[in-house]
Amino acid sequence: ETGVTQSPTHLIKTRGQQVTLRCSSQSGHNTVSWYQQALGQGPQFIFQYYREEENGRGNFPPRFSGLQFPNYSSELNVNALELDDSALYLCASSLAGDQPQHFGDGTRLSIL
Amino acid sequence: QQQVKQSPQSLIVQKGGISIINCAYENTAFDYFPWYQQFPGKGPALLIAIRPDVSEKKEGRFTISFNKSAKQFSLHIMDSQPGDSATYFCAASMRPGNQFYFGTGTSLTVIP
Repeated sequence: ETGVTQSPTHLIKTRGQQVTLRCSSQSGHNTVSWYQQALGQGPQFIFQYYREEENGRGNFPPRFSGLQFPNYSSELNVNALELDDSALYLCASSLAGDQPQHFGDGTRLSIL
Repeated sequence: QQQVKQSPQSLIVQKGGISIINCAYENTAFDYFPWYQQFPGKGPALLIAIRPDVSEKKEGRFTISFNKSAKQFSLHIMDSQPGDSATYFCAASMRPGNQFYFGTGTSLTVIP
């Protein structure tokens, strides 16, 4: 069984740039959720995708957007990067209607 | 507003001792309460989870105690080992949607 994989592992950007992070869900999982984890904090929900549609969103501005593909993999896009966007971005997959979520090891994004 | 409050922020325990981490929530619609373990540079890994229809769940050295009337739940780690040294997060979610609300984390150090 393949777990959740995320790429890249680390990324450095400057303010105002755009970034795309990628996630492959665990085998058999059709739902993907994205979280932002600031240093020393718990993960904060960004949004969830199911059947290629956004299925719930946390308190994040529209410059955070996403996609889900037919194979259930997903992308997180962030436009107009700000210094406060520096964080670990985590992807979690699950089966729709089933609550356990399984996390990848994240992408560490640093904004200079 | 923090939906799930976690304490203590940090915990130091002797090898063989019991580690206890507490969480409290307000939203009675929550119906799933997992605990995650996170090592540096890794994503959160599901440790154990409970639903509000039971008061206790045990898996190996890890036990969740759940008090529905007090809206509190706790993680007990029996016979704590140095390898248990990590950050622990409690979380809560509700159907549908399954957005996870995380606590702020507890850094556990087990001293040999």
